[in-house]
Amino acid sequence: QQQVKQSPQSLIVQKGGISIINCAYENTAFDYFPWYQQFPGKGPALLIAIRPDVSEKKEGRFTISFNKSAKQFSLHIMDSQPGDSATYFCAARRRGSTLGRLYFGRGTQLTVWP
Amino acid sequence: NAGVMQNPRHLVRRRGQEARLRCSPVKGHSHVYWYRQLPEEGLKFMVYLQKENIIDESGMPKERFSAEFPKEGPSILRIQQVVRGDSAAYFCASSGDSGDIQYFGAGTRLSVL
Repeated sequence: QQQVKQSPQSLIVQKGGISIINCAYENTAFDYFPWYQQFPGKGPALLIAIRPDVSEKKEGRFTISFNKSAKQFSLHIMDSQPGDSATYFCAARRRGSTLGRLYFGRGTQLTVWP
Repeated sequence: NAGVMQNPRHLVRRRGQEARLRCSPVKGHSHVYWYRQLPEEGLKFMVYLQKENIIDESGMPKERFSAEFPKEGPSILRIQQVVRGDSAAYFCASSGDSGDIQYFGAGTRLSVL
């Protein structure tokens, strides 16, 4: 059972456009939601993360929007660049398990055309 | 490079052989996680270890798979009698005692012929 559902599976965006990736979860015990970026042949790298006590977090061109009541969160990439082309994974971790496992979505392959 | 180091990067095994995957965590990290990634799928948790102890192995198959993180040396994920379905990318991640961020290695791509 996929505890974190991610969409779309793939996304093509023009350079300078906004890329939006969505994730949803059911388990209300989740309280930490990171996004990871993975380039081909590399391991995932943490991009940005949020906790449910805030509705939005912004770091440079990357923004997480969080809707606790809907149990949804999304990643927005503003002014998308060809260098942003990668696979993006959302994830979640349970409350009270700071050192615990992450539950990952299936990933979104983003392609940004120049 | 003080990041998570995994080796080998690529491993080819024939059915029935054993595969050993190694992971050296970030210096000073004592928490190690193993994940498996199949094509078109996200990362699936396998096991979480802290020095000399298995904390959570709920994602690891009961048979043929084992993991260890000894007091000295890297963490090892061992797969005995490999089958074609074991072909995947295996990623190791580590974190410090404060938790939160898991740092991932570049992975080991296992191919079973």
